Amino acid sequence: GAGVSQTPSNKVTEKGKYVELRCDPISGHTALYWYRQSLGQGPEFLIYFQGTGAADDSGLPNDRFFAVRPEGSVSTLKIQRTERGDSAVYLCASSLGGQNTEAFFGQGTRLTVV
Amino acid sequence: AQRVTQPEKLLSVFKGAPVELKCNYSYSGSPELFWYVQYSRQRLQLLLRHISRESIKGFTADLNKGETSFHLKKPFAQEEDSAMYYCALRSGGGSNYKLTFGKGTLLTVNP
Repeated sequence: GAGVSQTPSNKVTEKGKYVELRCDPISGHTALYWYRQSLGQGPEFLIYFQGTGAADDSGLPNDRFFAVRPEGSVSTLKIQRTERGDSAVYLCASSLGGQNTEAFFGQGTRLTVV
Repeated sequence: AQRVTQPEKLLSVFKGAPVELKCNYSYSGSPELFWYVQYSRQRLQLLLRHISRESIKGFTADLNKGETSFHLKKPFAQEEDSAMYYCALRSGGGSNYKLTFGKGTLLTVNP
């Protein structure tokens, strides 16, 4: 595809449920990032993948959040036992992975926990 | 810890007027600063970065380490500049493009 693709674009779930958010990066991009943007805030870093491995997961808020990238391309962000405070737009970005390469963002998944 | 502050939530100017969006940062290392823009119903995209020292769409930003600022400026605002602007600081090392964003400034350019 032409850009970073995220699915679904919108997700409504009940408190306590499990959700998965998917990110398809730009083909050939080895670096992938997840961010969370709450209402009225800028994006907040969650996790960075270089290839298949999570090189920096310092932004994950707690152990209910987990992300994988098993083949070094598509990534899934998984949230267990969702809480109303998890409601936000979840953004994915990818880049070529070099030191000065630009990160391209997806359109985001709007998660609403009711 | 790193921090990016955008003191103005909203900024409204008239077409043709100069515009300045303020950004201040706090970081113990050597800073790498960016401006990102999000137009209505579009995804977040890079506008410019300080290491490139370029002008994009008439916008410029100069890194002032003494004042720890990276303000975005344009001498003559256009209606199509209306958007949400985010200042960001790169804090990851090596190839990690981990960014810390400010809360953003919504710029409205009135006709």
